[in-house]
Amino acid sequence: EADIYQTPRYLVIGTGKKITLECSQTMGHDKMYWYQQDPGMELHLIHYSYGVNSTEKGDLSSESTVSRIRTEHFPLTLESARPSHTSQYLCASSDSGGSGRANEQFFGPGTRLTVL
Amino acid sequence: AQSVAQPEDQVNVAEGNPLTVKCTYSVSGNPYLFWYVQYPNRGLQFLLKYITGDNLVKGSYGFEAEFNKSQTSFHLKKPSALVSDSALYFCAVRDGLTGGGNKLTFGTGTQLKVEL
Repeated sequence: EADIYQTPRYLVIGTGKKITLECSQTMGHDKMYWYQQDPGMELHLIHYSYGVNSTEKGDLSSESTVSRIRTEHFPLTLESARPSHTSQYLCASSDSGGSGRANEQFFGPGTRLTVL
Repeated sequence: AQSVAQPEDQVNVAEGNPLTVKCTYSVSGNPYLFWYVQYPNRGLQFLLKYITGDNLVKGSYGFEAEFNKSQTSFHLKKPSALVSDSALYFCAVRDGLTGGGNKLTFGTGTQLKVEL
């Protein structure tokens, strides 16, 4: 079944640790996105990608980095986690158009990160 | 620049009554408008979108939204609310003139509470 997956769902780690949040989609979408959301609050775009080997920073500055080596995979990495990174991270994907479902973003379930 | 406003942080309605969640937008060109719903500890689920055509758009779970160009609004509506509709609702906009990889701007969200 075509879907978008995020792992882990919940992560509690100590300050200074390196972490990678995984995001994979099986819909063949070329565009992928990372959003940061505090509980019950608005979404802020922190990274996006138009396709393989293409990544851009979003509207909200973030110390995280991303890579897009494969179409289906868009991991987000924090080299040294801090308490200020505590948040929910949502991954999304969309296609380029022509399918009747253009422009619509599909979201994963999110990763709730807590940095102690 | 594109922006979207959701003027109400919370909307309370009794089950069986009609509900309206308000959204206004600002874009340079033609707007692409979306509504998403988020349940606790979950990602966003797509409800409906307006790209072009009929101003009244019907979506999932009995929701609909009316595009009003003169008022730059895209209010979400449902004729008869259910307790299970209680969730956080986000309006989003994208300027149809620009490229930018389907980047959406989200509103701050409206918490809908449906009570018996």
